[in-house]
Amino acid sequence: EVQLVQSGAEVKKPGESLKISCKHSGYSFTSSWIGWVRQMPGKGLEWMGIIYLGDSDTRYSPSFQGQVTISADKSINTAFLQWSSLKASDTAMYYCARPRGGWPNYFDYWGQGTPVTVSS
Amino acid sequence: DIQMTQSPSSLSASVGDRVTITCRASQGISNSLAWYQQKPGKAPKLLLFAASRLESGVPSRFSGGGSGTDYTLTISSLQPEDFATYFCQQYYSTPLSFGGGTKVEIK
Repeated sequence: EVQLVQSGAEVKKPGESLKISCKHSGYSFTSSWIGWVRQMPGKGLEWMGIIYLGDSDTRYSPSFQGQVTISADKSINTAFLQWSSLKASDTAMYYCARPRGGWPNYFDYWGQGTPVTVSS
Repeated sequence: DIQMTQSPSSLSASVGDRVTITCRASQGISNSLAWYQQKPGKAPKLLLFAASRLESGVPSRFSGGGSGTDYTLTISSLQPEDFATYFCQQYYSTPLSFGGGTKVEIK
């Protein structure tokens, strides 16, 4: 069974750094992509970027390029999303999700979400 | 970039009603469209892909249609568990984009 399990809720202050994770199981990690999607409170879904787990080829939405870093560690079947300096506007729910087959594509499996709160 | 405009943003309906949600792309997307259902506090769930193909395990009361720039999601007979927010997503080109969502509420 395919599962994407994300790290827990985070509460941070503006200017702090953060790295959240998404651990997969149930399918071949190295032959797949994992994407990240933001959902701000009460709002819609925004695609942030995606990483190919085989060679760490990474693509970013122009809206998020330079704002976040996506990475992966094959040895622990995990993808990461990180910020070097958080802002209050980064407060949101963050989902990892697997696109079916190649890229670009729709997402057939989703993590449970990691809520991030940035407040002074 | 392709913009996805979803309508209505919310609707009220009763159990048993037929409900249709529309998604319009700013350019043709060749049926590269998916629909998701999201309930409060939960991750989105895939309902349909390729505009009209039902994901495994999704009830047949959900159907999709359309072509070119205009697409629809129809629930033929609304059930209590269908009250949720629905999003469309184009995967024709990057950056991927989602519609703004349609919240289906109980009348």
